Amino acid sequence: GENVEQHPSTLSVQEGDSAVIKCTYSDSASNYFPWYKQELGKRPQLIIDIRSNVGEKKDQRIAVTLNKTAKHFSLHITETQPEDSAVYFCAASQAGTYKYIFGTGTRLKVLA
Amino acid sequence: NAGVMQNPRHLVRRRGQEARLRCSPMKGHSHVYWYRQLPEEGLKFMVYLQKENIIDESGMPKERFSAEFPKEGPSILRIQQVVRGDSAAYFCASSPLAGEGEQFFGPGTRLTVL
Repeated sequence: GENVEQHPSTLSVQEGDSAVIKCTYSDSASNYFPWYKQELGKRPQLIIDIRSNVGEKKDQRIAVTLNKTAKHFSLHITETQPEDSAVYFCAASQAGTYKYIFGTGTRLKVLA
Repeated sequence: NAGVMQNPRHLVRRRGQEARLRCSPMKGHSHVYWYRQLPEEGLKFMVYLQKENIIDESGMPKERFSAEFPKEGPSILRIQQVVRGDSAAYFCASSPLAGEGEQFFGPGTRLTVL
C-alpha cells in the first residue's frame, strides 16, 4: 500500500531563517498532497495543498513543491517566526479516494 | 458555521471498560473519517463513513473497535474492553465530498486507559 516518508523528524531554525521539510510517497497514482500544522494539544489544520497537475504553489511565506517523477514533495517556510513552531504533517491521497496517508511528522522549533 | 465537533475532549477509562467517542461533522459534510494518533506519532487512518454506511474500515483493529454514522446524530467510535494500548488521541475529520480537497479536523478526544 501507499507509504509516505517524512524528513527530518525534528528541525530547529533561527527566527528569520528558512525551513524545509521533505516527503516522499510510494504510490504513483497519488495526486493530492496536503500539509497540516498541529500545535501542541490542538487539531491538525491545513496550511497548504498541491495537486499533481501543478509543480509549485505559494501562499505568503509558505510554499510547496512537487516532483512527480521522483515522487517527492516539500514544504518551504521562509522568514520563520516563533509562532511557526509546531508539528507539520505531509499526506498523500488519490483523487476520488478518501484515505490520507500521513507522514510521521516534523517537529519544527523556531528559536527567537 | 461551526467546525467539526468532538466530545468528550478527554476521556479516562479503566481497563475493560467501554469508550464512546462522538464526532459531529461540519454542516453540509456527509463524509466522516476517524484517525488515531499515538504519542509522538503521525495520524493513522482507521475508518471512513458516510451516513448509515461504513465505506472503508481497513484501518480499524478487527476486534473491540466499531464505528457508526447514523442518519441522525453524530458519528460514534466505540472501543470495547479498552486496554492500555488504546490510549491515544482520536481525531475525526469531515469533508463535503469524498476525495476532493481538504478534510477538516476536529479537536480530538484524548483517551487515557488506566
